[in-house]
Amino acid sequence: GESVGLHLPTLSVQEGDNSIINCAYSNSASDYFIWYKQESGKGPQFIIDIRSNMDKRQGQRVTVLLNKTVKHLSLQIAATQPGDSAVYFCAENTGQAAGNKLTFGGGTRVLVKP
Amino acid sequence: EPEVTQTPSHQVTQMGQEVILRCVPISNHLYFYWYRQILGQKVEFLVSFYNNEISEKSEIFDDQFSVERPDGSNFTLKIRSTKLEDSAMYFCASSDLGGTEAFFGQGTRLTVV
Repeated sequence: GESVGLHLPTLSVQEGDNSIINCAYSNSASDYFIWYKQESGKGPQFIIDIRSNMDKRQGQRVTVLLNKTVKHLSLQIAATQPGDSAVYFCAENTGQAAGNKLTFGGGTRVLVKP
Repeated sequence: EPEVTQTPSHQVTQMGQEVILRCVPISNHLYFYWYRQILGQKVEFLVSFYNNEISEKSEIFDDQFSVERPDGSNFTLKIRSTKLEDSAMYFCASSDLGGTEAFFGQGTRLTVV
């Protein structure tokens, strides 16, 4: 789910179904990845992260999968709820120095239909 | 729950004026960041700050931008002479260790007219 400018890819999902959001990242040397959720008018909200020495990590209703071979990241949301409607961004840490330098993807809009 | 707070929530300024955006990071965090998001676009990294100095900065962060931690709690972003293209949401973030999750504030919407 990458996009540029105003044209965000949109995922429409029925309430209660599972959602899968995909992201391609750019830097094969990136060692840390985060998924953020952004609701209208708010800042990015941390959902889940994963390090490059893992290929799967689970949280509460969310799972992140990392495929380093093809530089692909996905976020799975189980039993999607209306409150999950938002724009979802993947981000990779591309920093050279201490601390994060997060490079964000273009985002995917998730619309949950009741 | 601790959070990053930013003020003001919205700032309107005339082109050429200086603006200072303010942030209070989470209190035990060591790394501080500024990001910006032009309407409808990606969130973009501006600068990271650690141990009272800039750790890394992007090409966007030119001589018109500066950051400061004037005391033990505030972290500021100054734009010396604003341009129309500086209009964006500016997000402050902080993290406790490099490479762990960065927590974002709610942002300051800067409108340059």
